[in-house]
Amino acid sequence: GQNIDQPTEMTATEGAIVQINCTYQTSGFNGLFWYQQHAGEAPTFLSYNVLDGLEEKGRFSSFLSRSKGYSYLLLKELQMKDSASYLCASMDSNYQLIWGAGTKLIIKP
Amino acid sequence: GAVVSQHPSRVICKSGTSVKIECRSLDFQATTMFWYRQFPKKSLMLMATSNEGSKATYEQGVEKDKFLINHASLTLSTLTVTSAHPEDSSFYICSAAIGDFPSQYFGPGTRLLVL
Repeated sequence: GQNIDQPTEMTATEGAIVQINCTYQTSGFNGLFWYQQHAGEAPTFLSYNVLDGLEEKGRFSSFLSRSKGYSYLLLKELQMKDSASYLCASMDSNYQLIWGAGTKLIIKP
Repeated sequence: GAVVSQHPSRVICKSGTSVKIECRSLDFQATTMFWYRQFPKKSLMLMATSNEGSKATYEQGVEKDKFLINHASLTLSTLTVTSAHPEDSSFYICSAAIGDFPSQYFGPGTRLLVL
């Protein structure tokens, strides 16, 4: 079956670094997405990885290991506005997104 | 770029009525549009995938006669919830894909409350 696993909730301190992990099992693979979703709002695109390695984009970086079925989202210099849910999604061989349940990130001052 | 709008943002209706939700890609032509439903503290659940000019492909367990999808043009898709019931109350989100780039751009969502 297809499955995405990510922690339900994480807490971090403003200014610190946090890593949100995601493991996936999908039928075929066409890339791994990370989205940010604030409460009551729709998701916004953060990153897309299809090759192994680290993609850096400002304060956010995303890593992929296809052999391990593993990705992480790294957030640096945390700000209060980063408090949100972070959704991991894997695109399967039919180009459908298989979504994780999301990781709620709580930032404390 | 890649802005997707949804209308209405919030709707309250009586049980048994039908509700139409519009999804528009404002600055691009969307080859494919997706409709999702999200319950509180749950992840997105894909309901259906639609391509312009063809019938939507519904996910298992989603009633196509209850959730009518019309993808009239490359910039507009509509979802009609027919004979709505309280259990249909949810956050409905559309997204659109551009050409070969696999990312999806999401609309702001429509919060439906059926009384």
